[in-house]
Amino acid sequence: DAGITQSPRHKVTETGTPVTLRCHQTENHRYMYWYRQDPGHGLRLIHYSYGVKDTDKGEVSDGYSVSRSKTEDFLLTLESATSSQTSVYFCAISDQTREQYFGPGTRLTVT
Amino acid sequence: GENVEQHPSTLSVQEGDSAVIKCTYSDSASNYFPWYKQELGKRPQLIIDIRSNVGEKKDQRIAVTLNKTAKHFSLHITETQPEDSAVYFCAAPPRGGTSYGKLTFGQGTILTVHP
Repeated sequence: DAGITQSPRHKVTETGTPVTLRCHQTENHRYMYWYRQDPGHGLRLIHYSYGVKDTDKGEVSDGYSVSRSKTEDFLLTLESATSSQTSVYFCAISDQTREQYFGPGTRLTVT
Repeated sequence: GENVEQHPSTLSVQEGDSAVIKCTYSDSASNYFPWYKQELGKRPQLIIDIRSNVGEKKDQRIAVTLNKTAKHFSLHITETQPEDSAVYFCAAPPRGGTSYGKLTFGQGTILTVHP
């Protein structure tokens, strides 16, 4: 599955705590993306990266930050988790072909 | 997504029938249209895509057609099988944002194929 892993795969955390999700790729693709998936909303882009240290906001970026210090790693941080951030989070990668390939997902529950 | 509308939201067919899912987009500059299949509890998987320089693309039982004038594209699955049951998503570049490979996704179609 395109050499993409996500960690952790499941996490339960309390409201107000910081959480960091990791996406790791072995494909050397330039572009990386973080999505959240909620019933009735499909996949919504949170943040994306177009190179090392180059990131930008997507359509639902409030409450989230990202970092990319190496080509292979893209981190998503929830500064102070809220119940509305309970979701399934997917990382995706692509190259100049525009084809996006998804990681296995992280199920996050904020109690 | 803000500029990708997908219909229907649910589709139920008998095994062997055809299934068609349609998406409309708003940005005439959009030039890449993929379709993803997501089985329960799994990641979305790219199954077929089309670029704006062609009108149709086929891969065995699946095909995608693109009408640039009307700004819509459709997924066609022929001779459906129970294993085709899944959620299908279309996608297109967001309005004004064809750079960096970004995509806006439709809200998904739940396809159920009854044996």
